[in-house]
Amino acid sequence: QSVLTQPPSASGTPGQRVTISCSGSSFNIGGFAVNWYQHLPGMAPKLLIYTNNNRPSGVSDRFSGSKSDTSASLAISGLQSADEAEYYCAGWDGSPVFGGGTKLTVL
Amino acid sequence: EVQLVESGGGLAQPGRSLRLSCAASGFSFHDYAMHWVRHSPGKGLEWVSSISWNSRSILYADSVKGRFTITRDNAKNALYLQMDSLRAEDTAFYHCAKDDYRFLEPWGWFDPWGQGTLVTVSS
Repeated sequence: QSVLTQPPSASGTPGQRVTISCSGSSFNIGGFAVNWYQHLPGMAPKLLIYTNNNRPSGVSDRFSGSKSDTSASLAISGLQSADEAEYYCAGWDGSPVFGGGTKLTVL
Repeated sequence: EVQLVESGGGLAQPGRSLRLSCAASGFSFHDYAMHWVRHSPGKGLEWVSSISWNSRSILYADSVKGRFTITRDNAKNALYLQMDSLRAEDTAFYHCAKDDYRFLEPWGWFDPWGQGTLVTVSS
């Protein structure tokens, strides 16, 4: 069990906006930054959001991140079939830590 | 282009050893901390180990502490993971990843990642 809690699954239809939550504590999210990664099957995981709400160059502006107190969220707008993947929040709790992952299904 | 390529995975019996390598190119390898992360279906991403640019700071997940050893050779642009006393639960794809900082900072991130090398522990 990870110290960062994510829902195991999420879903949406094309064009819809979906949010994925990541819940932690004052020892991790509450004190440090949150990053988000996308993992497509058979591919290398990819950095989506760093330091709570920053997008690396090349990442679509359909992806956005936010953080408040001990929770963080990843929002995906204009959902596309290509967004079907596993999404992980990550942070620091004395060492790097990942959330359990959320499998996003595009219906 | 920054590139990370892992190798060394394969089939190992429980209790045996494997050594993973990660070849880095396209950036000043000696300037960045590096990480190993593993992924197995149904278990998600699990951080394994991290090493600072000068090898003076090293971290291990509790699940591998005492069994795995992370090292790096900045002259060869290479990262390693020595895996001893392997267990069935170590079966996973192992990815190396570059940090954005020299030291193991709470505000760092992993980017990019290698494609991974598969380790299967089974008798």
